[in-house]
Amino acid sequence: SYEVTQPPSVSVSPGQTASITCSGNNLGNKFTSWYQQKPGQSPVLVIYQDTKRPSGIPERFSGSNSGNTATLTISGTQAVDEADYYCQTWDSSTVLFGGGTKLTVL
Amino acid sequence: QLQLQESGPGLVKPSETLSLTCTVSGGSVSSSDYFWGWIRQPPGKGLEWVGSIFYSGYTYYNPSLESRVTISVDTSKNQFSLKLTSVTAADTAVYFCARAQPPSRGWYPSFFDGWGQGTLVTVSS
Repeated sequence: SYEVTQPPSVSVSPGQTASITCSGNNLGNKFTSWYQQKPGQSPVLVIYQDTKRPSGIPERFSGSNSGNTATLTISGTQAVDEADYYCQTWDSSTVLFGGGTKLTVL
Repeated sequence: QLQLQESGPGLVKPSETLSLTCTVSGGSVSSSDYFWGWIRQPPGKGLEWVGSIFYSGYTYYNPSLESRVTISVDTSKNQFSLKLTSVTAADTAVYFCARAQPPSRGWYPSFFDGWGQGTLVTVSS
């Protein structure tokens, strides 16, 4: 069965660029979405259809998807961006989530 | 503004059936523009999709849960529901209901743009 894989953790300094990857076989041929989840809260959609940003999501969040890897990029990372991030795609009539990446801003 | 609210028992005994309802406001489960679904998250772990439904009743289920899951929609109450049979401790999780949109090409629950606050269901005797 299809799987998508994320690194368990990523660290970034405030003001720098954070990149979180999501890997899967030919993932670039599928749409990928990204969610931000802070402790005790529901997930929030931050990127959909690889590159689109919902209204209300800051411009510092962007996405790309090519080959076997989708990437969520946070430019000028702020302390408020510290959270768990999940990628999500669709394959064989199934919604698939990555295992999640804990972003630490330090 | 779309709001989703989960409701149901917080404690279920092993081997029994977990039943949850999601009440939608600020949107309609009868809309042909969206899917509706359930996602769960065991304590301290990641997200797991349970299944999704279209207003017509067409469903998609997680293959690992398909034999135990039923999702239904009640358009008269603007609600959709989850039933999970023969539960074990492994089914203990926060259960979220959510709205899903189809992609720009294709017709399936592509991404989840609205979530409920989640409800913790513990399976224990």
